[in-house]
Amino acid sequence: GESVGLHLPTLSVQEGDNSIINCAYSNSASDYFIWYKQESGKGPQFIIDIRSNMDKRQGQRVTVLLNKTVKHLSLQIAATQPGDSAVYFCAENEGSARQLTFGSGTQLTVLP
Amino acid sequence: GAGVSQSPSNKVTEKGKDVELRCDPISGHTALYWYRQSLGQGLEFLIYFQGNSAPDKSGLPSDRFSAERTGGSVSTLTIQRTQQEDSAVYLCASILYSSVSNEQFFGPGTRLTVL
Repeated sequence: GESVGLHLPTLSVQEGDNSIINCAYSNSASDYFIWYKQESGKGPQFIIDIRSNMDKRQGQRVTVLLNKTVKHLSLQIAATQPGDSAVYFCAENEGSARQLTFGSGTQLTVLP
Repeated sequence: GAGVSQSPSNKVTEKGKDVELRCDPISGHTALYWYRQSLGQGLEFLIYFQGNSAPDKSGLPSDRFSAERTGGSVSTLTIQRTQQEDSAVYLCASILYSSVSNEQFFGPGTRLTVL
């Protein structure tokens, strides 16, 4: 079946550097994408979303890029801080479908 | 304001016992989801409630799993005759669909351990 996957299971960055977390999806009909952050022992927390009619969306210190041609989604975190250390999940859904399909997650570790 | 709450936060049970997990969604949110998250894994969809519509149960892994949502608010996920492979974190999320966002608000989860 369709799936959403992440390229790298772990990512370590120096504090202050920019982080880029990647996600590949396989359902070409997906039209809505979300990034979630999950800290240890907590539920996922919404970071940013993007619809397929856009290729870029910016939030506070975060930017999501969508490349529909290659079915690739990325999350960029500017000036990464220790509090950004968490597992980051991408998720997608299609049209009126209410289910989100989640990737397996990338563990981001911010080094001092 | 109050977010999604879940209880208990941790549940340890013996194989073969039944368990009930509770979710209190954000007031006014019409949709509610249950997910399962195994250690180091992504979220596995279980069931979805939307208003008065019939729930989408397509993600329930077996007939030992069931869920209900009373009065369009609180939801209970029941696992009968628990097995060790049921051990996971069970997450609940609620959502108020709008033209602006489909953000799901997650609760902290219930960590279920089946011995």
